[in-house]
Amino acid sequence: KAGVTQTPRYLIKTRGQQVTLSCSPISGHRSVSWYQQTPGQGLQFLFEYFSETQRNKGNFPGRFSGRQFSNSRSEMNVSTLELGDSALYLCASSSTHYEQYFGPGTRLTVT
Amino acid sequence: EDKVVQSPLSLVVHEGDTVTLNCSYEVTNFRSLLWYKQEKKAPTFLFMLTSSGIEKKSGRLSSILDKKELFSILNITATQTGDSAIYLCAVLIQGAQKLVFGQGTRLTINP
Repeated sequence: KAGVTQTPRYLIKTRGQQVTLSCSPISGHRSVSWYQQTPGQGLQFLFEYFSETQRNKGNFPGRFSGRQFSNSRSEMNVSTLELGDSALYLCASSSTHYEQYFGPGTRLTVT
Repeated sequence: EDKVVQSPLSLVVHEGDTVTLNCSYEVTNFRSLLWYKQEKKAPTFLFMLTSSGIEKKSGRLSSILDKKELFSILNITATQTGDSAIYLCAVLIQGAQKLVFGQGTRLTINP
C-alpha cells in the first residue's frame, strides 16, 4: 500500500500571506490528523478529520483551518502567516485500529 | 492538562550497548501509547501498546506498558549506528483521536 503523501514538501512564504497544504492518506484510511512540529514546542496536535467532519481541534488560533474531501484527502490552510508559523507540518492517517501513520511533512518557512 | 514526559532527553552510547528509554504520562482519557522513531524525516511507527504487561517485540526493539504506574519503556538491544534517531512517545487520547507527544529522546550510537 502507498503511504501518506503530502504536498508540497517545501514552501517559503512571506509574512501576511496564506498557504494551503495537502495530504493524501493511506488508501482505506478515513481519519486524517494534522500536527505542527517545531524545535521549541515539539509535536503539537492541530486538528483531526473523519468523513469530511472536523472531530477534534487543538489549541491553535483560528488562522489555522482545514477540510477533508469525500475521498479522505485533506487540506490545511494557514492565513495571515507569522514568523512563528515556520515549522514542519505533518499529516497522519489512521484506520479503525487507531495507529497513526505519518507522511513526510511539509517544511514551511515564513520570512 | 494532558502531559507526556520522556527521559532521558539525550543519550549517547556505543554500538552493541543496550538502551532503555522511558515515557511517563498523565492524561485524562488514555486509549493507547505509541512509540515512533524519527530520523531526518517524518516519524515512523514502531509500536502501539494498549494493555498493561504485554511486551511488544520487533527484532531488537521491545516495549511494555504499565497502566497502573502510568509509564512505558522502549528497549533496544545490541544497538547499531542506524538506531541513532529521536524516539518519540505519544499517548492517544480516547474519543479525541489526538496524539499527545513527549519531547523525545535523542539517541546517538557511536561506532
